[in-house]
Amino acid sequence: AQSVTQPDARVTVSEGASLQLRCKYSYSGTPYLFWYVQYPRQGLQLLLKYYSGDPVVQGVNGFEAEFIKSNSSFHLRKASVHWSDSAVYFCAVSGNTGYQNFYFGKGTSLTVIP
Amino acid sequence: DMKVTQMPRYLIKRMGENVLLECGQDMSHETMYWYRQDPGLGLQLIYISYDVDSNSEGDIPKGYRVSRKKREHFSLILDSAKTNQTSVYFCASSLYTGQYEQYFGPGTRLTVL
Repeated sequence: AQSVTQPDARVTVSEGASLQLRCKYSYSGTPYLFWYVQYPRQGLQLLLKYYSGDPVVQGVNGFEAEFIKSNSSFHLRKASVHWSDSAVYFCAVSGNTGYQNFYFGKGTSLTVIP
Repeated sequence: DMKVTQMPRYLIKRMGENVLLECGQDMSHETMYWYRQDPGLGLQLIYISYDVDSNSEGDIPKGYRVSRKKREHFSLILDSAKTNQTSVYFCASSLYTGQYEQYFGPGTRLTVL
């Protein structure tokens, strides 16, 4: 079955600290991987996406993610967080054959303490 | 400017009333989606539309129906709303299905009393 697991429902870090949000996926075909961010009272916005090639992809606002096929993981990282990064982050997986739906994780709520 | 719009943004209805949520996109995307978001449950797919009059049930279609008569518009209808349909509803669109990223609207907060 296709699925995405974000094991941490809530993460709290201090401003300036590094960040890693975890994502593991289960997908039978070639996965296409995404991270979205949702700020309060807004819709989801794309942070970054991985289709192929370099397993480390750069996104907006200093975020990056690394695709590790052997571990079925696509963790999100940032070297130094800012209070404005407080939001909910969603990992998602999709595919390239037929009517493939997106599969979203349940999200990780990030709080950055100033 | 690539955009997904949703109307209304906030809506309060009484149980048993009909509800119409509207979504528009200006990107000529073929595929559109309706999700609901509840605390702790993440996003749940209600319906997906592959193009005009080509709709398919998602994971939680019961109590909902959709209409897509023009590529740029996708409506979600609740006939006789129930209190457990109180939620935030998001519309999204993508160029096609599959690996294409989804663009989300700002959401509609629906309260059914």
